Amino acid sequence: AQTVTQSQPEMSVQEAETVTLSCTYDTSESDYYLFWYKQPPSRQMILVIRQEAYKQQNATENRFSVNFQKAAKSFSLKISDSQLGDAAMYFCAYRRNQGGKLIFGQGTELSVKP
Amino acid sequence: SAVISQKPSRDICQRGTSLTIQCQVDSQVTMMFWYRQQPGQSLTLIATANQGSEATYESGFVIDKFPISRPNLTFSTLTVSNMSPEDSSIYLCSVSQRMNTEAFFGQGTRLTVV
Repeated sequence: AQTVTQSQPEMSVQEAETVTLSCTYDTSESDYYLFWYKQPPSRQMILVIRQEAYKQQNATENRFSVNFQKAAKSFSLKISDSQLGDAAMYFCAYRRNQGGKLIFGQGTELSVKP
Repeated sequence: SAVISQKPSRDICQRGTSLTIQCQVDSQVTMMFWYRQQPGQSLTLIATANQGSEATYESGFVIDKFPISRPNLTFSTLTVSNMSPEDSSIYLCSVSQRMNTEAFFGQGTRLTVV
């Protein structure tokens, strides 16, 4: 069975600084998708970024980028120029190809200090 | 992206009663899912809602406790039956327009059982 692990329950970053959230996963499959979701206090799950396993190039979305290391089964999220609005719970998630359902990590609560 | 309306947004219920949560999408989607998020925890998949047939439940979840309907490609309901305080959680509806596209989430239903 696939598993997703986020080893950092809490992280803190100064406004305008950079922070990296860690995620590792375990799977025997070669084709899959990885995601980072953000959940602010409003409870709404918001997709931050997605990575297809077959792509070597790391995904980037504005201030958000990932470091995808397929051999190491590592998928970290880097947030540059952190803003107060980035404060939220961040979940790493895995989905196998043609699978549909998501498997989530435990989450990392990010706080941003002004 | 799909716009998802989930109702109610929150409720406080007496133990032994049932609550039905609705999920309405503004476009036809292939896949609909129901997740549970217990206090301070990550998301766990309850079941995949299948249009016109019985839902597919994950290990640990049963139809008698969480009956699900999906009469068409834009609507689904989840019922939490014979509730106990342990059912106090956030319940989230999620949709994907196709098998390998992003999953979008409703705003969640915060259920408190007293």
